[in-house]
Amino acid sequence: AQSVSQHNHHVILSEAASLELGCNYSYGGTVNLFWYVQYPGQHLQLLLKYFSGDPLVKGIKGFEAEFIKSKFSFNLRKPSVQWSDTAEYFCAVNAPYTGFQKLVFGTGTRLLVSP
Amino acid sequence: GAVVSQHPSRVICKSGTSVKIECRSLDFQATTMFWYRQFPKQSLMLMATSNEGSKATYEQGVEKDKFLINHASLTLSTLTVTSAHPEDSSFYICSARGQAELAKNIQYFGAGTRLSVL
Repeated sequence: AQSVSQHNHHVILSEAASLELGCNYSYGGTVNLFWYVQYPGQHLQLLLKYFSGDPLVKGIKGFEAEFIKSKFSFNLRKPSVQWSDTAEYFCAVNAPYTGFQKLVFGTGTRLLVSP
Repeated sequence: GAVVSQHPSRVICKSGTSVKIECRSLDFQATTMFWYRQFPKQSLMLMATSNEGSKATYEQGVEKDKFLINHASLTLSTLTVTSAHPEDSSFYICSARGQAELAKNIQYFGAGTRLSVL
């Protein structure tokens, strides 16, 4: 079945550590890729997106992600995390077979940054 | 950025009653709205997609008679959980997508509604 996989379910880091969260998808062809963040008690917010062009995309709050087509991956990175980055992070893909209408989400990664 | 307002944020109801949740796009016209359900420690699962002025398209396994969706205008969609039971307790989230450049191909999310059925 077509899916989005986030292999890290829980990540605990100290402030200033580097972050990389994995995301793999199983769709062939053209895809739109997204990372959303959900801070405690808040709604999902778009961190960054990839539609086409430069596979290294930069988002808000110092986050970036790299689309590697050959690996079907779209990993999220941040060189130095802060306590305020504690949140849940969701990778999502627009499903091409539905005309890019639907978003399919991964199971999320809970990040805890200790001060 | 585009703002989506969802109301109420939390509702507690008795088993057998119906609950209506509203989702509004505040600064753009949402030609498509989506309703998701999020179980604890799990991802968002799409329940249905609604386009303004037409019937909603439900995902496999979602009861359309249980979860009534209305998308009567370009800024409002409602989800009604009919005859709610404890197993319907969950976190319901709406999102909206417009055709305008700002919102094209991107979904903007509401803050969610926590439904607890006693």
